[in-house]
Amino acid sequence: SQQGEEDPQALSIQEGENATMNCSYKTSINNLQWYRQNSGRGLVHLILIRSNEREKHSGRLRVTLDTSKKSSSLLITASRAADTASYFCASLQGGSEKLVFGKGMKLTVNP
Amino acid sequence: NAGVTQTPKFQVLKTGQSMTLQCAQDMNHEYMSWYRQDPGMGLRLIHYSVGAGITDQGEVPNGYNVSRSTTEDFPLRLLSAAPSQTSVYFCASSYPLAGALTDTQYFGPGTRLTVL
Repeated sequence: SQQGEEDPQALSIQEGENATMNCSYKTSINNLQWYRQNSGRGLVHLILIRSNEREKHSGRLRVTLDTSKKSSSLLITASRAADTASYFCASLQGGSEKLVFGKGMKLTVNP
Repeated sequence: NAGVTQTPKFQVLKTGQSMTLQCAQDMNHEYMSWYRQDPGMGLRLIHYSVGAGITDQGEVPNGYNVSRSTTEDFPLRLLSAAPSQTSVYFCASSYPLAGALTDTQYFGPGTRLTVL
């Protein structure tokens, strides 16, 4: 079964706006990761947050983790047309070596 | 470094045929895995390996076999292809960081498989 579920499933915004994507998961985790996939390509790692961290930044990306609610959010600030892609959260289940992906969210940034 | 490479990029099979999808990495990563990606389903883990000689099943292992004889290679075998195996297949690898074997995953470009 899918561990992570992204919300919303699709988002369309204008260039310069912020984009927020949410991810919920079901079991305890060691870490949660976000990936981006451009159309027809492989996935690219964006950022990883460990279970003992609450917030992390990388450039225009900000990720938060709330283990009590079993949820994470990814914020992309000042979006660009090049951010148009599908975004996936993936969680490493506690005590496991399996990284389980959500179904993904499609972000469209209009120029 | 070439990173993670996959061959072939595209493949069409007939039902019942067998084939091997190749995956190789030159980053000395211990952890390697295979995923399939279907529309609306995200990525689902097929098999994974935490090191040479060690493999384990993921979420959807039926119909697929793997082996890990070297650190570099992790082939995925379809023994008798079925239309339900039509999908895009991704191989990924990672190096243990901070004690976690499945830290940042590096993905290959994918193999698009169609089974008629």
